[in-house]
Amino acid sequence: DQQVKQNSPSLSVQEGRISILNCDYTNSMFDYFLWYKKYPAEGPTFLISISSIKDKNEDGRFTVFLNKSAKHLSLHIVPSQPGDSAVYFCAARPMYGGSQGNLIFGKGTKLSVKP
Amino acid sequence: DAGITQSPRHKVTETGTPVTLRCHQTENHRYMYWYRQDPGHGLRLIHYSYGVKDTDKGEVSDGYSVSRSKTEDFLLTLESATSSQTSVYFCAIINGGRNSPLHFGNGTRLTVT
Repeated sequence: DQQVKQNSPSLSVQEGRISILNCDYTNSMFDYFLWYKKYPAEGPTFLISISSIKDKNEDGRFTVFLNKSAKHLSLHIVPSQPGDSAVYFCAARPMYGGSQGNLIFGKGTKLSVKP
Repeated sequence: DAGITQSPRHKVTETGTPVTLRCHQTENHRYMYWYRQDPGHGLRLIHYSYGVKDTDKGEVSDGYSVSRSKTEDFLLTLESATSSQTSVYFCAIINGGRNSPLHFGNGTRLTVT
């Protein structure tokens, strides 16, 4: 049973517009959520995170929103740039058990930003 | 750059042979992790270490063992490789407190024929 779901395998956006990537989770015992970006033949790169006690976190062009009642997480990229084209993974950390690096990942969404 | 080096970067091996992947870090981090990435599965935790000689299992540990005899090195061993272990393997570290993210190496692509 998948605990972290990214239901859109791919997303295509025009340069300069907003990209919205979505993530749903089923376990209410997650306390920390992260987004990673991955280019081909490279490791995932940390992008932004949010604690479960917050509902929004911003870092430059990237904003993560957390809706705990809906168990929904989203990443907004504004404005989108061609260099943002990559696979984006949503991840969540269970509150109990394991260590701080024991993350549950979604399957990823491939973002394509067209010039 | 989290100072993580994975070796080899690519390996092709035959079913039934033993394989060891190495993760080397230069910054004395306590926690180290091995994840695998497969199409349709995202990344899944295999094993992790919380210190020298201290390791624990992750979600998909069957068929894998790990060792950490030095802080800087975390080895992942497939005792008898199977085709289902064809994957990209990523090592990761944590370099801060409780709400610190994982930082990943560039991965090892393993093909078991």
